[in-house]
Amino acid sequence: GQNIDQPTEMTATEGAIVQINCTYQTSGFNGLFWYQQHAGEAPTFLSYNVLDGLEEKGRFSSFLSRSKGYSYLLLKELQMKDSASYLCAVRDSNYQLIWGAGTKLIIKP
Amino acid sequence: GAVVSQHPSWVICKSGTSVKIECRSLDFQATTMFWYRQFPKQSLMLMATSNEGSKATYEQGVEKDKFLINHASLTLSTLTVTSAHPEDSSFYICSASIPAGGHNEQFFGPGTRLTVL
Repeated sequence: GQNIDQPTEMTATEGAIVQINCTYQTSGFNGLFWYQQHAGEAPTFLSYNVLDGLEEKGRFSSFLSRSKGYSYLLLKELQMKDSASYLCAVRDSNYQLIWGAGTKLIIKP
Repeated sequence: GAVVSQHPSWVICKSGTSVKIECRSLDFQATTMFWYRQFPKQSLMLMATSNEGSKATYEQGVEKDKFLINHASLTLSTLTVTSAHPEDSSFYICSASIPAGGHNEQFFGPGTRLTVL
């Protein structure tokens, strides 16, 4: 079966750095997405990786290793507004998105 | 970026009634739209993939006769929850992808919170 694993919840301090990991086992791979979702709102796109390596976008970076079935989202200079759930999603060989359960990130002052 | 709207943003209805949710792509044409359901503290669950001009493709376990999807134009898809019951109370989210170019990211609507009494 297809499976995406990410931690259920993480806590970090304002101003610090946090890394959210995602491992996946899917039938084929056509890209990995990270989305941010605040409580009661729809997800918003953060990043996309299809090749191995690091993609940097401001305070957020995303890394992919296809051979290891592994990705992480790195958030720097954490702000209180970064408190949200972070969803990892992989597009499989049928171009269908397989979603992880999400990681709830709690930022403390 | 591309904008997707949903209407209504929230709805409360009595058990047994039907509720229609609209999903519109405002500044692009979406040949494919997706309908998701999300229960509290759970991840998104894909319900169906809606293709303009053809029948929707439903995920396993989703009743097509209960969740009617119509994608009549390139900018509008509707989800009708028929004979709603309290267990249908959930957050319903639609998304659309731009068909050509880029990495086909999905743009999400703001969601519709359905409460069935």
